[in-house]
Amino acid sequence: EVVLTQSPATLSLSPGERATLSCRASQIVSSYFAWYQQKPGQAPRLLIYDASKRATGIPARFSGSWSGTDFTLTISSLEPEDFAVYYCQQRSNSPWTFGQGTKVEIK
Amino acid sequence: QVQLQESGPGLVKPSGTLSLTCTVSGGSISSGNWWSWVRQPPGKGLEWIGEIYHSGSTNYNPSLKSRVTILVDKSNNHFSLKLTSVTAADTAVYYCARALAVGSRDWFDPWGQGTLVTVSS
Repeated sequence: EVVLTQSPATLSLSPGERATLSCRASQIVSSYFAWYQQKPGQAPRLLIYDASKRATGIPARFSGSWSGTDFTLTISSLEPEDFAVYYCQQRSNSPWTFGQGTKVEIK
Repeated sequence: QVQLQESGPGLVKPSGTLSLTCTVSGGSISSGNWWSWVRQPPGKGLEWIGEIYHSGSTNYNPSLKSRVTILVDKSNNHFSLKLTSVTAADTAVYYCARALAVGSRDWFDPWGQGTLVTVSS
């Protein structure tokens, strides 16, 4: 099973700041990788797929990148609605797995 | 656009069977996607349970495979989850989701709103 390790667990930032979230895979997953956003009491929402492609309707301030087994989600300038929990997920090797989440909170 | 809605009992007794249905609206379950179940224990992360293709082919998480059955009902445009021999560790919000074929793989989009299932006597 591919283990995804997200860091940091919590990111405390102010609106307008840049957020950089990381996820490391325990083995090569190529670009078969996604990021989801989850707000309290809501279902997750797909943000990024294929490691770097924005899902439909996702603002351009969200971007994804990767190198080897390291994946990064960047939010260029945090908006109030971006404070949430973010999960990474791989779809290279079944079972599909998620990271444990990074909470982006208001500083 | 496609929407999903989970339904089923919110309380299940230990050693019993958890049964949920996910109704798909705004599109056909025979549209060529995988249809998945994901769960989230209170305050914790996401765990993929399994998925089914409209043909009936299934793919389960090995950690739950011995207790899980996912079925598709094309005539009623829904799919279902059965989890047997439940314990308190199975208490979670259960989500259904479409695994949308976009790009190189299938990605969970959209998701249902989720339903909390509590295992307790």
